[in-house]
Amino acid sequence: DAGITQSPRYKITETGRQVTLMCHQTWSHSYMFWYRQDLGHGLRLIYYSAAADITDKGEVPDGYVVSRSKTENFPLTLESATRSQTSVYFCASRATSGNTDTQYFGPGTRLTVL
Amino acid sequence: AQSVSQHNHHVILSEAASLELGCNYSYGGTVNLFWYVQYPGQHLQLLLKYFSGDPLVKGIKGFEAEFIKSKFSFNLRKPSVQWSDTAEYFCAVIETDKLIFGTGTRLQVFP
Repeated sequence: DAGITQSPRYKITETGRQVTLMCHQTWSHSYMFWYRQDLGHGLRLIYYSAAADITDKGEVPDGYVVSRSKTENFPLTLESATRSQTSVYFCASRATSGNTDTQYFGPGTRLTVL
Repeated sequence: AQSVSQHNHHVILSEAASLELGCNYSYGGTVNLFWYVQYPGQHLQLLLKYFSGDPLVKGIKGFEAEFIKSKFSFNLRKPSVQWSDTAEYFCAVIETDKLIFGTGTRLQVFP
């Protein structure tokens, strides 16, 4: 009954280091998303995935890499972290059936890049 | 591309006051619209959504929103707010499988 989980919840790293944020969902939803939340910008889409092995760029993909080898996991990697990537990162999955189309969000990861 | 505007960035109300938060999207056709709420330190939760049918949509916790196609609007309302409604509110629209969010409105309710 976990739904969608993210780890770690908090992370402090240094400029230039590689960081991977994990996202796991238990519903087997096809679609998964990564957003970053910044003051004054709301939520902006980084990458999304329509199914395993299918990923696509969102609004702000630069500096990020994703993979989706399994339906339930959608990790986000910052290959060489920069201070501008300090943000709160939310993962989401999308439920579509009949007349419903709703995204469910994880608890978020607060990332600080020093 | 679709965009969403939330004109009120920060709203401060006393308990029992009425609330209306504005949301406009950029172009018409068939739209699916959402309001999400984010309580302090928590993740986003769905308040309500509009896909079709009755333009007045009821959500959780006494919230409602009205879809006005001619105005490209989907404003959120609550007749009497409570301190526990203090949160950030996001309007969103679906565009080709993706949610496009507004920048959010921070609501503070004082007892």
